[in-house]
Amino acid sequence: KQEVTQIPAALSVPEGENLVLNCSFTDSAIYNLQWFRQDPGKGLTSLLLIQSSQREQTSGRLNASLDKSSGRSTLYIAASQPGDSATYLCAVGMIKAAGNKLTFGGGTRVLVKP
Amino acid sequence: GAVVSQHPSRVICKSGTSVKIECRSLDFQATTMFWYRQFPKQSLMLMATSNEGSKATYEQGVEKDKFLINHASLTLSTLTVTSAHPEDSSFYICSATPLWETQYFGPGTRLLVL
Repeated sequence: KQEVTQIPAALSVPEGENLVLNCSFTDSAIYNLQWFRQDPGKGLTSLLLIQSSQREQTSGRLNASLDKSSGRSTLYIAASQPGDSATYLCAVGMIKAAGNKLTFGGGTRVLVKP
Repeated sequence: GAVVSQHPSRVICKSGTSVKIECRSLDFQATTMFWYRQFPKQSLMLMATSNEGSKATYEQGVEKDKFLINHASLTLSTLTVTSAHPEDSSFYICSATPLWETQYFGPGTRLLVL
């Protein structure tokens, strides 16, 4: 059974610092990995999707890396802003035969102080 | 593109009543829809996977007679919480996917059972 862990559970940084969020998973037979943002009481916003054959994806200030063999992904957010304050979730999609079900990590709650 | 809506966005009901939540893919046909539950400050837990025209597949520990799922068309899935109790109060989120691709998430429905 796939298990996804996110460390740290919470993170507080001053504005301008870079953020590093970690995600680890136990079963390396993944189809893809996604990073989401969730604001309090809201749904999910997809940030980055990395296919299993890829090593990283970039979008603006966001960069996500994937090391499938070691079961790790890292989300980097450069030059953090107060608007980046949210919970960040990583989710692992298993191989297609399993219906591409996503297993979510526990999330990292980020607070960026002005 | 790829918009998923949920209705209602929040609902309050009395214990013992049934509540229906709708999930719609607005601009694509969803072969598969997923239902998740999220308790406060916790991550998303997959409840069930539904495919259009067939019975839903429930995750271990999820009561299929309590959480009725109907995927009647390629753009609509409904989750009915039957005989709701206070412990069913939660944030319910659906997602939809065309042909095993990326899941697109709805904005969520907050259920409060008094």
